[in-house]
Amino acid sequence: EIVMTQSPATLSVSPREGATLSCRASHSVNIDLAWYQQKPGQAPRLLIYGVSTRATGIPARFSGSGSGTDFTLTISSLQSEDFAVYYCQQYNKWPLTFGGGTKVEIK
Amino acid sequence: QVVESGGGLVKPGGSLRLSCVASGFNFRAFDMNWVRQAPGKGLEWVSSITSSGAYIHYADSVEGRFTISRDNAKDSLYLQMSSLGAEDTAVYYCARSRFLDMDVWGNGTTVTVSS
Repeated sequence: EIVMTQSPATLSVSPREGATLSCRASHSVNIDLAWYQQKPGQAPRLLIYGVSTRATGIPARFSGSGSGTDFTLTISSLQSEDFAVYYCQQYNKWPLTFGGGTKVEIK
Repeated sequence: QVVESGGGLVKPGGSLRLSCVASGFNFRAFDMNWVRQAPGKGLEWVSSITSSGAYIHYADSVEGRFTISRDNAKDSLYLQMSSLGAEDTAVYYCARSRFLDMDVWGNGTTVTVSS
């Protein structure tokens, strides 16, 4: 099983500042990496797939990068609606696995 | 969109069948998934089924106890769960596969396993 490790667990950021979230895979997942956003009481929402491709309707302030085992989600200039939990997911090998999540909170 | 149903309170060792009805897209063209989230915890993939139903995968934690199926004529996905334990308590989400990432999610249905 490919273990996905996200860091930090919690990130405190002021509105309009940027945020960088990390995701590390225990084995290479090539570019089969997605990011999701989840707000309290809501379902996850796909943000990024294929490491860096934004899903439909996702603002350009969200960007993804990386390859192999190390990946980054960058949110430039956080808006109020961006404070949420973010998960990475690998889909290179079965079983599909998610990281433990990074909570982005208001500083 | 997809809408889940069938959750509820069940005793340990019991069974439950979840359903997910899709609308607004060609259901039979897409692979589908179940993902769960225990209270206060992260996301856990449970099971996937290909568009035709020919190929199925399960997480080790549910293999042999859960069965995923679909009825393309009814635009519906199912999860039959048996031998339920406290560790199965979670919100269960139905999610459409874009590739093996998931681009359409339901609001979830809550399963509580307790005596």
